[in-house]
Amino acid sequence: NAGVTQTPKFQVLKTGQSMTLQCAQDMNHNSMYWYRQDPGMGLRLIYYSASEGTTDKGEVPNGYNVSRLNKREFSLRLESAAPSQTSVYFCASSGGTGGSPLHFGNGTRLTVT
Amino acid sequence: DQQVKQNSPSLSVQEGRISILNCDYTNSMFDYFLWYKKYPAEGPTFLISISSIKDKNEDGRFTVFLNKSAKHLSLHIVPSQPGDSAVYFCAASPLYSGGGADGLTFGKGTHLIIQP
Repeated sequence: NAGVTQTPKFQVLKTGQSMTLQCAQDMNHNSMYWYRQDPGMGLRLIYYSASEGTTDKGEVPNGYNVSRLNKREFSLRLESAAPSQTSVYFCASSGGTGGSPLHFGNGTRLTVT
Repeated sequence: DQQVKQNSPSLSVQEGRISILNCDYTNSMFDYFLWYKKYPAEGPTFLISISSIKDKNEDGRFTVFLNKSAKHLSLHIVPSQPGDSAVYFCAASPLYSGGGADGLTFGKGTHLIIQP
């Protein structure tokens, strides 16, 4: 039972480079989310998708774009990476019904030099 | 403005004793509260939740208490075991606002260390 799968696990980018973080879930969940976690900070929401075909900004969306490719997949793109985007990125999904908890992937550790 | 506060960055407890992790919130619209546990190099996993219609929810060794008037919740782990060593995040949201987690606000986490 894979749950939420993120790729890659680690990535190093130079300032200005672009990349896409991939996320897929096999739980037939409607809602998917991208968070970042920085030292001494909680988890902050970047973007979310309440259902296939919709995406919305979260708390910290600047510098990112997302695509909800289908019900299973939700990708996060950095068009021009900056050192401030060095972080651990977590994808999550939920059933979307009232109070259903988030299921997280194991994260992507991104370093931008 | 930090709406969910976990004021203890770390907590050390002896194995077998009770661990108490605290969380305070400022937004009176919050009605639903969750605790997540996170091991290094893994994603957070859901542990236990409570809605504002209750003041206590229990699941095995884990109990969450909610004091709405004080805007305070706590997670009790009894007895503490070595495998409980992890970072614990408190999270809060308006209850059932469409069911999505877009309204979920996380605290900064408390690193619990269980000493043998």
